[in-house]
Amino acid sequence: QLQESGPGLVKPSQTLSLTCTVSGGSISSGSHYWSWLRQPAGKTLEWIGRIYTSGSTNYNPSLESRLTISVDTSKNQFSLSLTSVTAADTAVYYCATNSGTYFDYWGQGILVTVSS
Amino acid sequence: DIQMTQSPSSLSASVGDRVTITCRASQSIRTYLNWYQQKPGKAPKLLIYAVSTLHSGVPSRFSGSGSGTDFTLTINSLQPDDFATYYCQETYSTPYIFGQGTKLDIK
Repeated sequence: QLQESGPGLVKPSQTLSLTCTVSGGSISSGSHYWSWLRQPAGKTLEWIGRIYTSGSTNYNPSLESRLTISVDTSKNQFSLSLTSVTAADTAVYYCATNSGTYFDYWGQGILVTVSS
Repeated sequence: DIQMTQSPSSLSASVGDRVTITCRASQSIRTYLNWYQQKPGKAPKLLIYAVSTLHSGVPSRFSGSGSGTDFTLTINSLQPDDFATYYCQETYSTPYIFGQGTKLDIK
């Protein structure tokens, strides 16, 4: 199971920080990528980026300059940090695991609103 | 980035109908094509990966086909639980683009 956590409201220009807690297995086991995705209201899904258990990352080029994804294996968590947010970053954020080339397990999602 | 175009964007059908949703990629993505189902307020659920392989627990009335740039999702004998939004996704190359979605509702 995956569960997102973090603030639901972030002010413009500040940093959005979310954590995904993995339960039911070790984040370090197997060959998994751990990804973040988001979905603005009424729109399609956008892949944000991913981290491998080794710590290697891949980011969406459209967000790369503002984005950091990290992993804490001791806590079985991985995290997202997105700096200099604007209203365009308002969305439901999901964490998910991809085994191979598909996203098979997802968190329930967390709504993050960027507003003053 | 690869562009993924789904059609139709919305579809009305009745229980028992057979429906087909198409997804076209702007370049060949070989067989790196997945389908997801999403209901309001819920996370997407994986239905089909690698064009035609059903994810664990997915009913056999769902099927997928295609290769290269053109793909289809078919649902045979629609059930009440199938009314949802469906998304295709390419995983040929990052940043893993999703289609714009097809909303399937009850006629």
